[in-house]
Formats: sequence, C-alpha cells, structure tokens
Amino acid sequence: EPEVTQTPSHQVTQMGQEVILRCVPISNHLYFYWYRQILGQKVEFLVSFYNNEISEKSEIFDDQFSVERPDGSNFTLKIRSTKLEDSAMYFCATSLGVTTYEQYFGPGTRLTVT
Amino acid sequence: GDSVTQMEGPVTLSEEAFLTINCTYTATGYPSLFWYVQYPGEGLQLLLKATKADDKGSNKGFEATYRKETTSFHLEKGSVQVSDSAVYFCALNRGFGNEKLTFGTGTRLTIIP
Repeated sequence: EPEVTQTPSHQVTQMGQEVILRCVPISNHLYFYWYRQILGQKVEFLVSFYNNEISEKSEIFDDQFSVERPDGSNFTLKIRSTKLEDSAMYFCATSLGVTTYEQYFGPGTRLTVT
Repeated sequence: GDSVTQMEGPVTLSEEAFLTINCTYTATGYPSLFWYVQYPGEGLQLLLKATKADDKGSNKGFEATYRKETTSFHLEKGSVQVSDSAVYFCALNRGFGNEKLTFGTGTRLTIIP
C-alpha cells in the first residue's frame, strides 16, 4: 500500500539554525499539508499546498516557515531560524483530491531545538 | 472557528471491556468527521470517517455515528483488545477533501490484559 514517507525521523538543531523537513507524498496525490504536535498537545494545522502554491496557512505559519516542492516529488517544510518552541513532531499529510476525504499521514519528524 | 472537544484521558480498560470515547464538535455548515489513531512511535492513521448526518463510520470493530442534533461523533467498540492501546484523535474538516483537519486533544487508551 502506498505511503507517505518523511525524513529525517529525528532532527536535533540549535536555536537560530535553519532546518528542512522532507516529505515524499503518495505519487498521485495533489494536496499536501504540514501539521505539528507539540509533546502532549493536540495536532495543529500549519499549511496546505496545492498546485505549487499555499492554499491556506495558520497563524503559526509565520515568515519563519516556508514550503515548496523543489523537484515535483519531495514536499519540504523549512524553518529559517528555529526557536525552542518549534520543538515538536511535524507530520506531513497528503490527499488525492476534492472527492476523497482521507488525508494520509507520514510517520513524522521529531524536531528538537536546543 | 471550528473546534473539537474530546473526552479527557487517559483511559484504562481491561481487555474485552466496552469502550466509549466522547467527541463533540463546533463547526459551521456540514463538516466531515474523522477518528484517527496513533500507535506508539507511529504517525496518525485514519480509523473511520463519516461525511454526513446519521452516517456511521466503522472499521476494525470501532464505530462512530455522526449526530448533527447533538454535534457528536462518539467512538465505540464492544470488546477492546490489548492491541487497541493507542492515542485516539477526533477531527473534522469543512467537508471537502482538501480542507485542513481540526483535531481534538487526543485520548490515550491503555488496555490491560
């Protein structure tokens, strides 16, 4: 069964550093999302992406965050200057399209900012 | 805005017990409703869904019915197993496949033999 993959599984970085989290969506999916889950808290929406542009973003997704599909397959989330409060599990999700309702989630990348 | 309220956890049950995890929602229009499950060390997996009022979603012995009159989508299972131990998230979106998901806080379920 096709699945969403994410790399790395765990990233440790120092405050102020840039990080790039990578996701490989299911091949025929058209909609892409990033969510995050701070330890012990709810899963929060960050951004959705379709047709090479952002469809919607939350207030969490400020100028420090960006997303892109650099090569038409990978879907990346960049945090330009990490803060301690960015420490969380980041999940990529993908969806086939408007007529199907299921978002398929990757296993997540645990980001630890020290 | 949209929101999901879930039963506080953690919940501990004995094997073969009956499970209910309550979920209520606030949303305009006609949202679609979901239960996701997160097993230890893994990502979220869709457990079941319902896209309109009175629909019943079911999977792996779990069921939930979309009740518009009570804005609820409670998760039930008649006889839980140790392998059901996980965190369960209730979620909604605005009814189209490309819409973001809004999650509840999650309920940690532990089943003891």
